[in-house]
Amino acid sequence: GQQVMQIPQYQHVQEGEDFTTYCNSSTTLSNIQWYKQRPGGHPVFLIQLVKSGEVKKQKRLTFQFGEAKKNSSLHITATQTTDVGTYFCAILGSSNTGKLIFGQGTTLQVKP
Amino acid sequence: DAGVIQSPRHEVTEMGQEVTLRCKPISGHDYLFWYRQTMMRGLELLIYFNNNVPIDDSGMPEDRFSAKMPNASFSTLKIQPSEPRDSAVYFCASSWDYGYGYTFGSGTRLTVV
Repeated sequence: GQQVMQIPQYQHVQEGEDFTTYCNSSTTLSNIQWYKQRPGGHPVFLIQLVKSGEVKKQKRLTFQFGEAKKNSSLHITATQTTDVGTYFCAILGSSNTGKLIFGQGTTLQVKP
Repeated sequence: DAGVIQSPRHEVTEMGQEVTLRCKPISGHDYLFWYRQTMMRGLELLIYFNNNVPIDDSGMPEDRFSAKMPNASFSTLKIQPSEPRDSAVYFCASSWDYGYGYTFGSGTRLTVV
């Protein structure tokens, strides 16, 4: 089945440092979504990218969709302790009928 | 809107017992999804419904698992009989259309002893 690889699995940063997580697919994607899950919480939808080369920003978060629509990244500038959690990318299954497949996630720890 | 509502929040049961998890999606959302999350396997899609009809149940682990959606505002996931390896957090999510962001419930943490 269709898969998406997400790296790194874990990242520890000092508060104020930047953070980036990457998602890669072997096939061209129709779109990609990003979610955040706080410890003990549930995934929360952050954003969806659809267009080749698309860049979207949400405050300190920058989301990019690759030109070939096979990869995506989430970059956080100047991390804060509130950024702690696991960040997931998710893609639609090959049938494009609603089946959202999640990457393994990148868990971010921020040291104050 | 109160969001996606799941119950119970926590469930501890003995092996062999029947477990029923419940979900109320957001009104107007035509898609409902059941996911299971474990450390080993991450977030796995078990089954999803469109307009109350099951579309893809290929993720349901085995016949012990069943899901129903009798109407647009309610769905259940049943495990009978439960086993320790079923211990996980089960999430319900809904969306108004595929390809759009999902809204997840707070989840049910199931422990089978």
